[in-house]
Amino acid sequence: AQSVTQPDIHITVSEGASLELRCNYSYGATPYLFWYVQSPGQGLQLLLKYFSGDTLVQGIKGFEAEFKRSQSSFNLRKPSVHWSDAAEYFCAVGDAYSGAGSYQLTFGKGTKLSVIP
Amino acid sequence: DVKVTQSSRYLVKRTGEKVFLECVQDMDHENMFWYRQDPGLGLRLIYFSYDVKMKEKGDIPEGYSVSREKKERFSLILESASTNQTSMYLCASSNPGTVYEQYFGPGTRLTVT
Repeated sequence: AQSVTQPDIHITVSEGASLELRCNYSYGATPYLFWYVQSPGQGLQLLLKYFSGDTLVQGIKGFEAEFKRSQSSFNLRKPSVHWSDAAEYFCAVGDAYSGAGSYQLTFGKGTKLSVIP
Repeated sequence: DVKVTQSSRYLVKRTGEKVFLECVQDMDHENMFWYRQDPGLGLRLIYFSYDVKMKEKGDIPEGYSVSREKKERFSLILESASTNQTSMYLCASSNPGTVYEQYFGPGTRLTVT
């Protein structure tokens, strides 16, 4: 079974500083990888996704992530953090549910980002 | 824009009550999901459905059931609510054509006293 590890529970950065959130996955085949963001009191919003091809993917809100197969990682980055980026971030890996046409996601436990003005 | 709505943002129920959480999506999606979210545990899949009247157990189905009578509506049922079911419940939907991209509702924070 697949699994996702987000090693950092909570990260604090200053506004304008760069950001990197770590994600490691365990999956037997080529994974489908995702980053979601959850603002306080809200549902999850998809930031970006990797299926195949270019290992550096661009997402919304200025975020990007890089897939590194050798390290089983899919880290999320942003060059300059804004106060509105304070939220919880979830990495997820997708697994095809064979035969039913449905697709499950396995989520990491999340990294909470705080931004200092 | 895809919209997933959940019937309540906040709900308080008593132990032993039967609880219904409703989820509606307006994009004709085939797949619908129910998760619970707890601090330090992330999101855990309770049940999902890939077609009307079809359902599959997720990772933590015990104490829950689901109903999908119409394509746009997916209900989570707590037959006899217990305090350990106090949690945030998130509904999501997706289409096989947009592989894995799940759209989430705002969540229902359920407190069982």
